[in-house]
Formats: sequence, structure tokens, C-alpha cells
Amino acid sequence: EAGVTQFPSHSVIEKGQTVTLRCDPISGHDNLYWYRRVMGKEIKFLLHFVKESKQDESGMPNNRFLAERTGGTYSTLKVQPAELEDSGVYFCASSQVTHGDEKLFFGSGTQLSVL
Amino acid sequence: GQNIDQPTEMTATEGAIVQINCTYQTSGFNGLFWYQQHAGEAPTFLSYNVLDGLEEKGRFSSFLSRSKGYSYLLLKELQMKDSASYLCAVRDLTQAGTALIFGKGTTLSVSS
Repeated sequence: EAGVTQFPSHSVIEKGQTVTLRCDPISGHDNLYWYRRVMGKEIKFLLHFVKESKQDESGMPNNRFLAERTGGTYSTLKVQPAELEDSGVYFCASSQVTHGDEKLFFGSGTQLSVL
Repeated sequence: GQNIDQPTEMTATEGAIVQINCTYQTSGFNGLFWYQQHAGEAPTFLSYNVLDGLEEKGRFSSFLSRSKGYSYLLLKELQMKDSASYLCAVRDLTQAGTALIFGKGTTLSVSS
């Protein structure tokens, strides 16, 4: 069974440019989460999809970030325009059900560097 | 709000036992998770505790005390491959629903 895959693994862009990150969850997983780890800080929640619907986007930093999950399969996270403070590792995670012991499966992350 | 604390770094030798502590403060606690992350790789699930007590799984065990807001991950018979970052995370239903809230992680270095 394929795990959670993220593309690209690394992205280097200049301030003001646009970047789109992609996440393919494990097949059949309705829940999809985006997280971000800024250097020296903890992994922080960004948003949660249940199928194609945004369940919770309370962690999104600002309106420069747009996440979509059309069709309830893969998801994209677009940053437009990128700022220096957006640099970090963006993780995607998926799970099959939503209850107490729900186990999240993580991708390897996209390392984003904004110069 | 929430606050999760764990040591930044720990070192140990092969064959030894190491205990990584985690303290947390949450409003709506609904489970504590430990993840292992090797550099450049995805965090992988190790354990889950929601009730007080010890959960054992092979060389790894995890303990929870809800009244103290405290957990530890116990690693026995350490191997070089156990060198990794260990992430403590809690589910707090009053914060971000079912999403996990992470500590900064503990980097464990195992030497021969």
C-alpha cells in the first residue's frame, strides 16, 4: 500500500512568487491534514479536510494560503505571494476515520525555502 | 490554550534504556501520541495513550498520567537506528478539533 506522498520534496522560490504543494493521501482516507514546521519551532496544524470539505482551517496563517481538495482525493496548498516567513517544512497527513485513536499517516514533507 | 514540553536533546548508548518525558497543558484532552521522525523522513506513529497507565509495544512503552499532564516514552535495548527525533503530540478537542498539537520534539542520539 502506498503511503502519503508529497510533491515536490524541495522548493526554492523568491519572495513574491507563487508555489503550489501537492499531497496524495493514502487511498480511501477521508481525512487530510496540512501541517507546517518552521525552523526551531514545533509542527503546527494548518487545516483539515474531510473528503472535499474544509473541516477546520483555523491554523491557516493568512489569506496568502489557499488549500483545495477537489474530488476528495489529492490536495494542493498554494502560497501566493510567498514571503520569507513562509519558509519551512510542509507536512501532509491522512487518516481513515475520525475518532479518539485516529492514527495519522504523514508524508515526508515539502521543504520550502523563500529567498 | 496548549503547551507541550519535552527535552530538546538526549544521548544514550547502545543497549541502554532511555526515558523521554513530555508534559502538556490542554483544555480538552483526548489522547496523547508519540511519533518517531528520522531526518528528512515522515513522522511515523509509535504509540497512543488516552487512559492512565502503561502501553507496551515491543522495545517501546508509553505511559500517561492525565491528572499530572505527563507522559513518557521508554525505549529499551537501544539500537543505533533509534537515533531520531521523538515527537509528543496531544489531541485537544477545544483546539483544532481532531488535529494533533505537537511538542518541538526530542532529538535522541544513540552511540556505540
